[in-house]
Amino acid sequence: DSGVTQTPKHLITATGQRVTLRCSPRSGDLSVYWYQQSLDQGLQFLIQYYNGEERAKGNILERFSAQQFPDLHSELNLSSLELGDSALYFCASSVASGLAGGEQYFGPGTRLTVT
Amino acid sequence: DQQVKQNSPSLSVQEGRISILNCDYTNSMFDYFLWYKKYPAEGPTFLISISSIKDKNEDGRFTVFLNKSAKHLSLHIVPSQPGDSAVYFCAAPNQAGTALIFGKGTTLSVSS
Repeated sequence: DSGVTQTPKHLITATGQRVTLRCSPRSGDLSVYWYQQSLDQGLQFLIQYYNGEERAKGNILERFSAQQFPDLHSELNLSSLELGDSALYFCASSVASGLAGGEQYFGPGTRLTVT
Repeated sequence: DQQVKQNSPSLSVQEGRISILNCDYTNSMFDYFLWYKKYPAEGPTFLISISSIKDKNEDGRFTVFLNKSAKHLSLHIVPSQPGDSAVYFCAAPNQAGTALIFGKGTTLSVSS
């Protein structure tokens, strides 16, 4: 158990809909990262937050947004969903804002299926 | 353009033998590399890392070798055990140090 929790575990929704994925980082970790893993793909970095502020953006679509709350949990909002958004979404956390030799700790992921 | 490549999608090994998982990279500015292991229905878990100033790092049955001139690293598991059956990802931090760049993974199957 990495200490990172994600809810829900599974989500099935229709095209055009909006969903929210939730992540609670490990106790003491200030950074939260979101990754997307599509079929046969490695994990693709979406966005990072550190202590409530956005720190870095990766391949995140404009239809997607995220935020980190004062209690450090984070939410990833996906809107106007398309079939291609079906994927595993992972949240990871780390202590610092930069990686600097430290690893990230991953949650179990949320499997999103768009029908 | 994939900066971290794992060209073998799968590898099958017998229990007790050596497993060798390979990873190639294109960016010579990467200053360290990590291997993650992933079981089904779980998130990736950190396995072992290596700094670019080293050519070898060992942790129990796991050893990672780095060949900077070839831009290649490999993970050796000796001896392999059925519990090692998982997907293994090679990763490196991006230049800003803000996220990890992952390869597509290699599925290792260890049979008893």
